[in-house]
Amino acid sequence: DAGITQSPRHKVTETGTPVTLRCHQTENHRYMYWYRQDPGHGLRLIHYSYGVKDTDKGEVSDGYSVSRSKTEDFLLTLESATSSQTSVYFCAISDGVSNQPQHFGDGTRLSIL
Amino acid sequence: AQKITQTQPGMFVQEKEAVTLDCTYDTSDPSYGLFWYKQPSSGEMIFLIYQGSYDQQNATEGRYSLNFQKARKSANLVISASQLGDSAMYFCAMRELLKGGATNKLIFGTGTLLAVQP
Repeated sequence: DAGITQSPRHKVTETGTPVTLRCHQTENHRYMYWYRQDPGHGLRLIHYSYGVKDTDKGEVSDGYSVSRSKTEDFLLTLESATSSQTSVYFCAISDGVSNQPQHFGDGTRLSIL
Repeated sequence: AQKITQTQPGMFVQEKEAVTLDCTYDTSDPSYGLFWYKQPSSGEMIFLIYQGSYDQQNATEGRYSLNFQKARKSANLVISASQLGDSAMYFCAMRELLKGGATNKLIFGTGTLLAVQP
């Protein structure tokens, strides 16, 4: 199994509070991604990183920011959580080779009340 | 824009039978790749199989095979000899090159929930 750890695994918080999710990898892969999974939508890309301090937006980036200060860590921050951000969040990593899959962490279930 | 369509929200199959999960895709890129992932009730995403657009043969991985029909833009997953542990959600995904060519993202379908009955 790819060495990807997401923390926390579950979180319940209130609207308007900041939330940070962490993804840690031990594979030394260059590329890291944050997706969210919602019923009827599959997984959708929020942000991705192509190196330390190199990040860019995905298709559903509004309300989210990311940071990558080390190869192994990729943080996703909700500056002021809203109920629409209740979702399951997955981190993924890849080595960038096109025929190789992205490997996913176990997910974080986030509920915003 | 690229798109993945999975038209079967749910399916049943008897244990030891084969089952086909449908996936159609839309892309204008001549080079693309298709992935299948399994998501059991525990929630993790497990990579199953990959098919490249230029691959000459259909991909196979153990009991999983891909029925790749390029002209029809379909990449159906075939699971042979179904087991109870195959009960899960299955997602078809296509890679899409992100701007600048830095890397790819995955475009996912909405999934098919497979239930294997004893």
